[in-house]
Amino acid sequence: SQTIHQWPATLVQPVGSPLSLECTVEGTSNPNLYWYRQAAGRGLQLLFYSVGIGQISSEVPQNLSASRPQDRQFILSSKKLLLSDSGFYLCAWSAQTSTSGEGDTQYFGPGTRLTVL
Amino acid sequence: EDQVTQSPEALRLQEGESSSLNCSYTVSGLRGLFWYRQDPGKGPEFLFTLYSAGEEKEKERLKATLTKKESFLHITAPKPEDSATYLCAVPFSGTYKYIFGTGTRLKVLA
Repeated sequence: SQTIHQWPATLVQPVGSPLSLECTVEGTSNPNLYWYRQAAGRGLQLLFYSVGIGQISSEVPQNLSASRPQDRQFILSSKKLLLSDSGFYLCAWSAQTSTSGEGDTQYFGPGTRLTVL
Repeated sequence: EDQVTQSPEALRLQEGESSSLNCSYTVSGLRGLFWYRQDPGKGPEFLFTLYSAGEEKEKERLKATLTKKESFLHITAPKPEDSATYLCAVPFSGTYKYIFGTGTRLKVLA
């Protein structure tokens, strides 16, 4: 069965510090990978998604970046955090079948709570 | 423009008081509608996928239905443990991206 991991679970960082959040998926190959941010009481905002190693699509211009160095590893980074980067960060994966056929279910990790002070 | 809207934003029910949550969508060529449950501080948990108008799925006290414009999540005789935020999502046309609604926060009182 497939499993998705995220770490760390919680993180408190000062403004201007760097960030690295990691997501790994087990039990599947060539997944689509996604990073979302969820503000308190809000919906999910798609930040980045990836359909393969080194292939990153950015949805929201900001000081965050993403990388996919391995098939089942997705990393979210920042060189200098802002107060507005605080939130709940979720990684998700889905199988990669087609963009015209039935959509595939996204499965989410446990999330990382980031607080920027 | 692809869009998903959920209502109500919040719902308080007494234990055993049945109700429905709504997810309305506008997307060209629906490729599925997905329901999730999210507990505080956790990632969303997948509940159902519906692909065709008229389709229904059930799981315990939850039943999801789909029309050409909206989906309903019916909760029958809810219990306090059903308290959570319920999210719906649809894939964007022609991409691997998904658009999520802002969710319905359900509170079931004992």
